Amino acid sequence: DADVTQTPRNRITKTGKRIMLECSQTKGHDRMYWYRQDPGLGLRLIYYSFDVKDINKGEISDGYSVSRQAQAKFSLSLESAIPNQTALYFCATSDHGPRTNNEQFFGPGTRLTVL
Amino acid sequence: DQQVKQNSPSLSVQEGRISILNCDYTNSMFDYFLWYKKYPAEGPTFLISISSIKDKNEDGRFTVFLNKSAKHLSLHIVPSQPGDSAVYFCAASANTGNQFYFGTGTSLTVIP
Repeated sequence: DADVTQTPRNRITKTGKRIMLECSQTKGHDRMYWYRQDPGLGLRLIYYSFDVKDINKGEISDGYSVSRQAQAKFSLSLESAIPNQTALYFCATSDHGPRTNNEQFFGPGTRLTVL
Repeated sequence: DQQVKQNSPSLSVQEGRISILNCDYTNSMFDYFLWYKKYPAEGPTFLISISSIKDKNEDGRFTVFLNKSAKHLSLHIVPSQPGDSAVYFCAASANTGNQFYFGTGTSLTVIP
């Protein structure tokens, strides 16, 4: 079973609709992240959370919100989707400490299309 | 403004030869760097990392070199194999592991 799962894997929606992307992890990590990938721009950080009570904005948080419902769950919401939010979205988790690589473990991605 | 740059969008290498992927950064506060590999329809997976206290880290066929004065790092793959064909991202952070900034990726094709 995958350690980091994302639902849905694909979604097509219309401008103005509210969308929620969900992420679950079984790795027991405290830290979770949401990124988007666009052609020519690589991965850009939207929001990150270092524990259930901690939420931080990343590089491109405008137009997005997040909720950390539990250690294992981190959801990303688009309150009113717009076409330039069409992208591939990745959730990631990481452990932290002197014995880790600080590597992030990524989910398989959600391809979102906003018409 | 892109703080981590990979100026080569693509690279083709013959099987068995060396692949060299390059990454430049602008923020002198970055002190930890990672390389990720990404296959189509999958999320990126961690490959190798290096701290700014080192200038080289090696793991099997993969070696990462860091030149702090030039703000440049490179990933060497020797020998290259067809299974190495993927998109490679470099990432950097300050304070060892908070917010990571990713490059735009280099698509490597290893020709059998």
